[in-house]
Amino acid sequence: DQQVKQNSPSLSVQEGRISILNCDYTNSMFDYFLWYKKYPAEGPTFLISISSIKDKNEDGRFTVFLNKSAKHLSLHIVPSQPGDSAVYFCAAGFNTDKLIFGTGTRLQVFP
Amino acid sequence: GAGVSQTPSNKVTEKGKYVELRCDPISGHTALYWYRQSLGQGPEFLIYFQGTGAADDSGLPNDRFFAVRPEGSVSTLKIQRTERGDSAVYLCASSSTEQGPGYTFGSGTRLTVV
Repeated sequence: DQQVKQNSPSLSVQEGRISILNCDYTNSMFDYFLWYKKYPAEGPTFLISISSIKDKNEDGRFTVFLNKSAKHLSLHIVPSQPGDSAVYFCAAGFNTDKLIFGTGTRLQVFP
Repeated sequence: GAGVSQTPSNKVTEKGKYVELRCDPISGHTALYWYRQSLGQGPEFLIYFQGTGAADDSGLPNDRFFAVRPEGSVSTLKIQRTERGDSAVYLCASSSTEQGPGYTFGSGTRLTVV
C-alpha cells in the first residue's frame, strides 16, 4: 500500500518553461511534505518543504502547492534550467522524523 | 565534516556473508536515519536514531538487520546472512532540530549481493 504516489515516471520540459511535478498521498494525518532532488550517484538533496497547515511555499524558482482536500501536492519550477534535470522525490512525514517517499519523477530540461 | 559521509561507497559480497555499512553524520546532528533505495523506487525508511538510542526501528525488514550508534555520532548498519534481495543503495541522513524539516543525505553505499 503506497501512501505517497508519483504517477508520472518522467517529464520533459523545454528550458525557460514551467515544470510541474505532481504527488498524491493517502494519509490525511501527514504533518509535512517535502521535495528532494537526486542526481545520479549522489544522495537526495532537500529542496523545499511545506507544513500541512499551509497551502503554498515559495523559494526562488521553486514553489510547492498543497491541496489537502484532494490530498495532492505539486512542485513548480519556473523558469526551468538544464541543471534542474534530475529525479525528484516527493516525501511525507509526521513531525519530520520518518519520511515516506514516492517513487520519483525524472525531469529532463532540454535547450 | 561538511556533509554526511558513508563508507564504503560500493560493496560486493557473497550471499550468506555479513556486512557492515558505516555512516558519519554532520558534526552536531543528533538525529540519524538509515534508508534503503532499490532500483526504480524511492528511499524506504529503515531506522531512526535520536542520540544513541533507536527512536524508531519499525522499518528494519527482519532480524538480519541491526544498527548501532554507540556514542551518538557514527552509526553502523549491520546485515547478517545477506541475501540477493538485500542488494540496494543504503542511504544515511542526519539532521538537527534547529535545521527544520529536511535531512541531509549522504551519497549512499551500493550493496550488491552475488
